[in-house]
Amino acid sequence: EAAVTQSPRSKVAVTGGKVTLSCHQTNNHDYMYWYRQDTGHGLRLIHYSYVADSTEKGDIPDGYKASRPSQENFSLILELASLSQTAVYFCASRPTGSNSDYTFGSGTRLLVI
Amino acid sequence: QQQVRQSPQSLTVWEGETAILNCSYEDSTFDYFPWYHQFPGESPALLIAIRPVSNKKEDGRFTIFFNKREKKFSLHIADSQPGDSATYFCAASTGNTGKLIFGLGTTLQVQP
Repeated sequence: EAAVTQSPRSKVAVTGGKVTLSCHQTNNHDYMYWYRQDTGHGLRLIHYSYVADSTEKGDIPDGYKASRPSQENFSLILELASLSQTAVYFCASRPTGSNSDYTFGSGTRLLVI
Repeated sequence: QQQVRQSPQSLTVWEGETAILNCSYEDSTFDYFPWYHQFPGESPALLIAIRPVSNKKEDGRFTIFFNKREKKFSLHIADSQPGDSATYFCAASTGNTGKLIFGLGTTLQVQP
């Protein structure tokens, strides 16, 4: 069954520390996305990628880096975690072709203290 | 700047009533308009979607009404059930990147 798997499911990080959120998909999808969800803000796009070894900035990329080493894997990196980055992070994948549906992962709940 | 505006922020209806959730957008290049629902602790899941070539899309109790001229679309949930209680997000995207712009969500509560 096609799936998007995120790890870890939850994490507590210290301010100023480095955090890496991982996403793995078995859908054979070209597109992958990282969104964050905050109460009152819906979902906002951080980074996305349409091919391995290439990433694109989304709407709120500041403070985040992304890495797509293979079609299956897409990571989100917080080099210097800050309190404001406490949120739930969702990874999603989508096949090439306009208006195709996303497959979302289960989310990673990040608490920065 | 919020490109997709959603209202109301919260909505309570009685079981059996029709719930109406509204969205508007600004970018006329948007060409795909999905609605997602999300239950607590879960990820968003696609409910129904429409493209601007149509002004109505039905799937069971769920109907999208789309007004291209006014740049508005709405989700009607007929015969609402307590199990429909969730947060609903409208969204819009354009082009091949498929980047979805989400509204802020409507929390729907269906009272039995």
